[in-house]
Amino acid sequence: AQRVTQPEKLLSVFKGAPVELKCNYSYSGSPELFWYVQYSRQRLQLLLRHISRESIKGFTADLNKGETSFHLKKPFAQEEDSAMYYCALSGVGNEKLTFGTGTRLTIIP
Amino acid sequence: DTGVSQDPRHKITKRGQNVTFRCDPISEHNRLYWYRQTLGQGPEFLTYFQNEAQLEKSRLLSDRFSAERPKGSFSTLEIQRTEQGDSAMYLCASSYRRGGSYNEQFFGPGTRLTVL
Repeated sequence: AQRVTQPEKLLSVFKGAPVELKCNYSYSGSPELFWYVQYSRQRLQLLLRHISRESIKGFTADLNKGETSFHLKKPFAQEEDSAMYYCALSGVGNEKLTFGTGTRLTIIP
Repeated sequence: DTGVSQDPRHKITKRGQNVTFRCDPISEHNRLYWYRQTLGQGPEFLTYFQNEAQLEKSRLLSDRFSAERPKGSFSTLEIQRTEQGDSAMYLCASSYRRGGSYNEQFFGPGTRLTVL
């Protein structure tokens, strides 16, 4: 069975401070990991995926297979980062997504 | 707007009634997904189609639920004899499947169902 765990439902960070949103997963095989974001009154959208190894809006995430983690990080938080963040997983060749319960990030001005 | 669209955006119904939701994917996307999201949870996979073929259904999809994509374009999700536990946001997503790599799923705005 595949499972994604986001231990923090709520996270508040001061503007300019570093941000880390935690994500752990369980999957028997090599998963593909993603971070999705939902800004206020907008639809769910892909932020980044581990395969691309990109930095999007200053966010990065490294897949740690030993710790089965895919934490999302940003060195300096901005007010526009306030949103709901979901970590998600799919199996190779099977694109259905398994989501975590999400973390609501609030950036304090 | 050329994104995924869903109709209606909100639906309030009484327990025992049938409801039907529609999803229009991005043009030429051959895969279409349905997810359900309840309060405080992330989206949960229900089912998906490649063109008109329904390839997988979750165990969450009881026999009261049926989904179709008759011409490989829009899709409908019907819930018969609704129960209060069906109250949720129903999300649709689409992607263009090519090769073996993951193809981004684009989500619609969702249909919020409230069963009284």
